[in-house]
Amino acid sequence: SQELEQSPQSLIVQEGKNLTINCTSSKTLYGLYWYKQKYGEGLIFLMMLQKGGEEKSHEKITAKLDEKKQQSSLHITASQPSHAGIYLCGADNTGNQFYFGTGTSLTVIP
Amino acid sequence: DGGITQSPKYLFRKEGQNVTLSCEQNLNHDAMYWYRQDPGQGLRLIYYSQIVNDFQKGDIAEGYSVSREKKESFPLTVTSAQKNPTAFYLCASSSVGGKLFFGSGTQLSVL
Repeated sequence: SQELEQSPQSLIVQEGKNLTINCTSSKTLYGLYWYKQKYGEGLIFLMMLQKGGEEKSHEKITAKLDEKKQQSSLHITASQPSHAGIYLCGADNTGNQFYFGTGTSLTVIP
Repeated sequence: DGGITQSPKYLFRKEGQNVTLSCEQNLNHDAMYWYRQDPGQGLRLIYYSQIVNDFQKGDIAEGYSVSREKKESFPLTVTSAQKNPTAFYLCASSSVGGKLFFGSGTQLSVL
């Protein structure tokens, strides 16, 4: 199975600070997804990256997929309490199975 | 509105009992998935189905069973063989090659 390692496992930042979450794959990524989860709830889709070097932004969140397509980063600019939650990267292998990373728990202190 | 509905939100299981978690979608998606999430951990794949009347085991299928008799429905049964069933269970669906849409989850606890 495909393995996705996320770092850091948890992050506590002051409101207004920037932060980065990394996702590293054991195999080449054909599609990399970023989701956000509020505690005890389902996952909300953030962004999808497919091409090496691709970068997408939504509001203050930017995600990149590196050229070799084995690592992605999620960057949040000027964090707000509404950004708090668990961020998970996910990938689909060639068998249309979706696998997810270990998750990064983000706390934003007002 | 289109979406995925999981029920119940909370479920309690007694020792030796089988329990079934419901998952229904009206997105006309072919593929459906069941994941298990333990505290502080990511999602682990239990079962998935890409078409009606067909399903495959994921990484942690032991102690679980599923059926896919209708496109809209993919119920998960947690059997008595699953010795550590306490977890948050998430159902998802997708079109072929598309992103996953998730339900709101079911928290299963053991009495």
